[in-house]
Amino acid sequence: KAGVTQTPRYLIKTRGQQVTLSCSPISGHRSVSWYQQTPGQGLQFLFEYFSETQRNKGNFPGRFSGRQFSNSRSEMNVSTLELGDSALYLCASSSSTGGVPGELFFGEGSRLTVL
Amino acid sequence: DQQVKQNSPSLSVQEGRISILNCDYTNSMFDYFLWYKKYPAEGPTFLISISSIKDKNEDGRFTVFLNKSAKHLSLHIVPSQPGDSAVYFCAASPNQAGTALIFGKGTTLSVSS
Repeated sequence: KAGVTQTPRYLIKTRGQQVTLSCSPISGHRSVSWYQQTPGQGLQFLFEYFSETQRNKGNFPGRFSGRQFSNSRSEMNVSTLELGDSALYLCASSSSTGGVPGELFFGEGSRLTVL
Repeated sequence: DQQVKQNSPSLSVQEGRISILNCDYTNSMFDYFLWYKKYPAEGPTFLISISSIKDKNEDGRFTVFLNKSAKHLSLHIVPSQPGDSAVYFCAASPNQAGTALIFGKGTTLSVSS
């Protein structure tokens, strides 16, 4: 079974630009969550999508947005990039049926650097 | 305001000994608590979890203890192995589905042989 795939793995942007990150969940998983990891703040929850609907949202500004497609693939977008947005963005999928509550399967992440 | 805290950024243990990683939380409404392990250049991987209605859960060398009155949980690894060297994250879920996890900042465990 293929794992969670995130693209691109690395990217460099400048302040003011926007970026779109993509995530393909494990086949059959309908829930996709996004997390931001920075050295100072650790792993912070951005949002979760289930069946194309945002089910939960973390405490991030509106510049951070996401969506989920009918095949469960998800994208997140960050507009008007700031230096502080430099981080590892992790996508995780989970099974909606059975499994352990909270057991997320993470991708390797997309490393964003904002200059 | 950190709802999940791991106050020890690092821990060093000798192979074969017990590793104890600690985690404190502030919200008594959390439903599930989990531990994740992360190696460099990889995403976190689920290790073990515990429901708020239990006080202990064991899986092989890993045991998680939950003390609700103290709002404290700990992960015990016995015996510790060099391959256990990684960053360990404590996480809590505010709902029974186990989603929207709130993570601590992690503890780096180093197991020396």
